[in-house]
Amino acid sequence: DQQVKQNSPSLSVQEGRISILNCDYTNSMFDYFLWYKKYPAEGPTFLISISSIKDKNEDGRFTVFLNKSAKHLSLHIVPSQPGDSAVYFCAASVGGSARQLTFGSGTQLTVLP
Amino acid sequence: KAGVTQTPRYLIKTRGQQVTLSCSPISGHRSVSWYQQTPGQGLQFLFEYFSETQRNKGNFPGRFSGRQFSNSRSEMNVSTLELGDSALYLCASSLLPDSTYEQYFGPGTRLTVT
Repeated sequence: DQQVKQNSPSLSVQEGRISILNCDYTNSMFDYFLWYKKYPAEGPTFLISISSIKDKNEDGRFTVFLNKSAKHLSLHIVPSQPGDSAVYFCAASVGGSARQLTFGSGTQLTVLP
Repeated sequence: KAGVTQTPRYLIKTRGQQVTLSCSPISGHRSVSWYQQTPGQGLQFLFEYFSETQRNKGNFPGRFSGRQFSNSRSEMNVSTLELGDSALYLCASSLLPDSTYEQYFGPGTRLTVT
């Protein structure tokens, strides 16, 4: 059973608008969450993370929100750029570690010029 | 600085055979982790190595094994291949096996089992 779920396999957004990627998890032991971006033929690259003691973390155009009671996190990209087009993976771990990550199945984001 | 390299990039094997995949971490990185990516399951953690020792293992059968050499290069082996082993196998390296050190992923090895 998938402990980390990304229910939208794809998302299309107009350049300059906001992209919102969602992720749900079922394991209440998860306390560290990360987002990775993956271009074709490349490995995932780390984007942003959040610890369960926070509900928001920002890094430039990227903001991650965590709703622990709903076991839901989201990644906001504002403004979206064509270069953001990639597959985005949500990942989670236990013990505040970026190790032994459990990944979602990914969301393909397409930013239209 | 060269990134994580994985060889081969593509591989086709037959059911019942075994396969060995190789990963060279970024120079100076001593921790190597392996993940399996399949369309339905996303990325799943296989194992992590540091100082030639397996530190953690994911929920995979014993057919999946790995090792790390003194130069931090790592190999993973899958024996008695099954059709369901067809996947992209990703390797990630980091300086040390500590949560504060970011993992850098390689491009992966695409294994197809027929």
